[in-house]
Amino acid sequence: GAVVSQHPSWVICKSGTSVKIECRSLDFQATTMFWYRQFPKQSLMLMATSNEGSKATYEQGVEKDKFLINHASLTLSTLTVTSAHPEDSSFYICSARGDRARGEKLFFGSGTQLSVL
Amino acid sequence: DAKTTQPPSMDCAEGRAANLPCNHSTISGNEYVYWYRQIHSQGPQYIIHGLKNNETNEMASLIITEDRKSSTLILPHATLRDTAVYYCIVRRPGAYSGNTPLVFGKGTRLSVIA
Repeated sequence: GAVVSQHPSWVICKSGTSVKIECRSLDFQATTMFWYRQFPKQSLMLMATSNEGSKATYEQGVEKDKFLINHASLTLSTLTVTSAHPEDSSFYICSARGDRARGEKLFFGSGTQLSVL
Repeated sequence: DAKTTQPPSMDCAEGRAANLPCNHSTISGNEYVYWYRQIHSQGPQYIIHGLKNNETNEMASLIITEDRKSSTLILPHATLRDTAVYYCIVRRPGAYSGNTPLVFGKGTRLSVIA
């Protein structure tokens, strides 16, 4: 079954609104989660590293004030796209490293397709 | 993490073995070879990983050359549901890489044809 749960699977919003995406680790604690973005026919691009109890680390070129990350607990990280615009339309994916029972491999959520009108 | 090189695309007939190559000539001694795949509009899925010995699980086999500079992922009996982008990634295992993310290249787009 799914090890990392991501919600919602898809969302359509109007330009200027904010959208929140949730990423949960199931049955294990994840002190660190990763957020990726993927445009059509391109590979996954790392946006930021989410750290429980501290500020996220953003990759170069990713606006921290636009993509707000909150890692409020050991099983939940959220990505909020603030004042979304059509160019923010993309496939967003989260990832977390599993515990020893899961071989400490990185697992991925099912992704969120964001469409900004 | 060492860089990898994969062909951009491959076709495979349904029921036949799909052999996906990956070059990682700069791999270091403590780095593993990981394979993930991404089916359209889904998150990446772990397939298999290995250090130097060949590995097999319920999904695939991984053949790593003796010098570890290249590897091949084998899907023994490809089905239409195996159509996906396959990523070969080289990195230290979780326990040693700490909380570092996976870095994805462009992968190989495998099309399984009926």
